[in-house]
Amino acid sequence: LAKTTQPISMDSYEGQEVNITCSHNNIATNDYITWYQQFPSQGPRFIIQGYKTKVTNEVASLFIPADRKSSTLSLPRVSLSDTAVYYCLVGDISNNNDMRFGAGTRLTVKP
Amino acid sequence: GAVVSQHPSWVICKSGTSVKIECRSLDFQATTMFWYRQFPKQSLMLMATSNEGSKATYEQGVEKDKFLINHASLTLSTLTVTSAHPEDSSFYICSARSPSRRVAVSTDTQYFGPGTRLTVL
Repeated sequence: LAKTTQPISMDSYEGQEVNITCSHNNIATNDYITWYQQFPSQGPRFIIQGYKTKVTNEVASLFIPADRKSSTLSLPRVSLSDTAVYYCLVGDISNNNDMRFGAGTRLTVKP
Repeated sequence: GAVVSQHPSWVICKSGTSVKIECRSLDFQATTMFWYRQFPKQSLMLMATSNEGSKATYEQGVEKDKFLINHASLTLSTLTVTSAHPEDSSFYICSARSPSRRVAVSTDTQYFGPGTRLTVL
């Protein structure tokens, strides 16, 4: 089971790009990397998922280096509403026992 | 994306009573559902994995006789907190996995419910 390490908290300002890095040194061959966003008293919301290189969707980009031992979630031009906790999960999504959350990163966006 | 609902969204009960929380996948069939518990300012903790038609698999330290999980259909799983005590007060979140999709870039097969806030007095 690949363990993840993220910064506990980050601060940013509106309009800036925010990069949150997650370390997963013992990632397995079949593991994917998934990022979730969670607001207080709500369930996590899927942001992005990838296996290698770069993935981009309408809300974020995910950068994964060749060794896959880390990944970086990039949020372009954050707003106040992006203040939330961001979780990085690593696991084989076909394995039902791998959905465990790490500590997450609390992002605070300031005006 | 797929929708997962939970009911109730919040509940307050007296110590010693039992509380049932429902988790439904609204527009897909979920052979596997997960139950999590989250205390304030903490991450989600996986409690158990529920497979339709079979017994749930509990994480270490989670009492299966206290947290009863039933997954009787492909769209419904229930968590019953039996003889609840104040220390069981928490935010309970379920998620459901759709078996029909294989992961593709930028998609996910696990969908989370909105959570249920349980307060035991």
